[in-house]
Amino acid sequence: SAVISQKPSRDICQRGTSLTIQCQVDSQVTMMFWYRQQPGQSLTLIATANQGSEATYESGFVIDKFPISRPNLTFSTLTVSNMSPEDSSIYLCSAEDDGNTIYFGEGSWLTVV
Amino acid sequence: QKEVEQNSGPLSVPEGAIASLNCTYSDRVSQSFFWYRQYSGKSPELIMSIYSNGDKEDGRFTAQLNKASQYVSLLIRDSQPSDSATYLCAVYNTDKLIFGTGTRLQVFP
Repeated sequence: SAVISQKPSRDICQRGTSLTIQCQVDSQVTMMFWYRQQPGQSLTLIATANQGSEATYESGFVIDKFPISRPNLTFSTLTVSNMSPEDSSIYLCSAEDDGNTIYFGEGSWLTVV
Repeated sequence: QKEVEQNSGPLSVPEGAIASLNCTYSDRVSQSFFWYRQYSGKSPELIMSIYSNGDKEDGRFTAQLNKASQYVSLLIRDSQPSDSATYLCAVYNTDKLIFGTGTRLQVFP
């Protein structure tokens, strides 16, 4: 299984600012994903982070709001831009191993005030 | 129709009983199915994966898959208070994992 580290683990942000979340995997993985979990809700896929090319965004999520980088097979970043209180959420990085199993990092808990 | 559906619960069972968690999915071509456990304030943790029709057992956990009925379930035997958590059903479909809304399980002493 992959071990996934995320930082920051928690942050309080001012509205209108941007925050970049970093995700590091302990082994090379083909697929990395970013999910959001709003309070009391399940996980919603934001995008698939593609190595060396633009991320693939799900319906309702756009690159201007959630730019994603994937410079190599072990690292990705998600930026939450121009934050509003509605962006207060847990943001989860995940990676898929060779057996199509997806593991999660510990999450980044964002509160926008 | 949601892609992955679960009863939100809470499902309350006494300690030592069998907890039965159910999930249905809409896409017939789905091939991989997962159960995650999420404690309050924590990220999801993988419990079981299942790919073929039938049962798969791992310790106190048994996953059951019926592709014809598009149904997957998780049985927890000898439930413990430490099993109290939200259980998320997830279906792997066209290169992404889709989650249900989760079922909250409460195991009382």
